[in-house]
Amino acid sequence: QITLKESGPTLVKPAQTVTLTCTFSGFSLTTRGVAVGWFRQPPGKALEWLTFIYWDDDKRYRPSLKSRLTITKDTSKNQVVVTMTNVDPEDTATYYCAHRRISTGEIDHWGQGTLVTVSS
Amino acid sequence: DIQMTQSPSTLSASVGDRVTITCRASRSISSWLAWYQQKPGKAPKLLIYRASSLESGVPSRFSGSGSGTEFTLTINSLQPDDLAIYYCLQYNSYWTFGQGTTVEIK
Repeated sequence: QITLKESGPTLVKPAQTVTLTCTFSGFSLTTRGVAVGWFRQPPGKALEWLTFIYWDDDKRYRPSLKSRLTITKDTSKNQVVVTMTNVDPEDTATYYCAHRRISTGEIDHWGQGTLVTVSS
Repeated sequence: DIQMTQSPSTLSASVGDRVTITCRASRSISSWLAWYQQKPGKAPKLLIYRASSLESGVPSRFSGSGSGTEFTLTINSLQPDDLAIYYCLQYNSYWTFGQGTTVEIK
């Protein structure tokens, strides 16, 4: 059974760096084809893709946020970490991590999400 | 970037009605499209993948169709539990969601 859970700060000040951790179980990021991604959803708005990391350490970033995002994995801890620098109130959102199905590529499992508020 | 245009933004229907939601891609995405249901305060739930494949455990009243640039999610015999926001997601080139459709029960 695949599960994912996000953790991190709930309140961050503008211009600071936020680090979010996704702890997962039920799969391994050493298995060929596996990928874990991060998405976010501002309050009352649609979902938005941020970044993905693959089993071979390949990474993909949303072009508009590429300069502010870094994604890494720790396979020994079954964790994926994303860092976002220079946050702004517009980065206030629920952040989700998710598992990409190997065979067909869709996002099939999601974490419960964690709300990050950017405010002074 | 591939843009996804989803319509309508809101729809209101009665229990038992057939409901249709459409997503249009700005260029061909073959069949790399999924549909999700999101209830308030919850993560999205996968309903349909590869445009028309029903995810395991999802009621058969949900179905998807289309390929290329035009896609449809159909809910046959709408149920009270279907009150939610529905999103399409293209995963042909990176990932792009539609803007969502809120389904209300009359």
